[in-house]
Amino acid sequence: GNSVTQMEGPVTLSEEAFLTINCTYTATGYPSLFWYVQYPGEGLQLLLKATKADDKGSNKGFEATYRKETTSFHLEKGSVQVSDSAVYFCALEASGGGADGLTFGKGTHLIIQP
Amino acid sequence: NAGVTQTPKFRVLKTGQSMTLLCAQDMNHEYMYWYRQDPGMGLRLIHYSVGEGTTAKGEVPDGYNVSRLKKQNFLLGLESAAPSQTSVYFCASTRQTGPRNTIYFGEGSWLTVV
Repeated sequence: GNSVTQMEGPVTLSEEAFLTINCTYTATGYPSLFWYVQYPGEGLQLLLKATKADDKGSNKGFEATYRKETTSFHLEKGSVQVSDSAVYFCALEASGGGADGLTFGKGTHLIIQP
Repeated sequence: NAGVTQTPKFRVLKTGQSMTLLCAQDMNHEYMYWYRQDPGMGLRLIHYSVGEGTTAKGEVPDGYNVSRLKKQNFLLGLESAAPSQTSVYFCASTRQTGPRNTIYFGEGSWLTVV
């Protein structure tokens, strides 16, 4: 079956540091890949997505590139801010779209210190 | 535009009590989902629906029942609550599956079973 593995946290960084959160997946075909963010006490918000190999999703200074050869979708940001503190989830949707929704990683808690 | 609305937001139950969580969406979406979120486990699919009058089991369906009598509503029921069902529950919906699709999440319902 499909699965998503992401680095476990918490990840603690200083403001303006470079961020990488690793995500790898197992799936057949060409799934769509997503990063969701969950701020404290809130629901999940779509941060970015990529739907085919070599696509780069980007939003709010975050980027992730769909790498089919390494089955990865690592999240990066050049200079993090305190307001980026949240839990980040990598997820996939089966190739062609699956009725049973998304498969999520376990989440990475990011803490940015001033 | 309300999007996906969950009620109640917080609830404390005693073991053995029953309750229903309501999810309502105003986007005319066909697909609806119930997930639970537990520390270190990410989001796991409980049940889902691909249209009015349909339901299907997800990854962790035991102890829960669902109904989709109206297209805009997806109800999650706990007939006899157990402490293991203490969790944060998220509802989600989408118009259709596939790469152009976006899944929208509610803000979550915090349930504690004592």
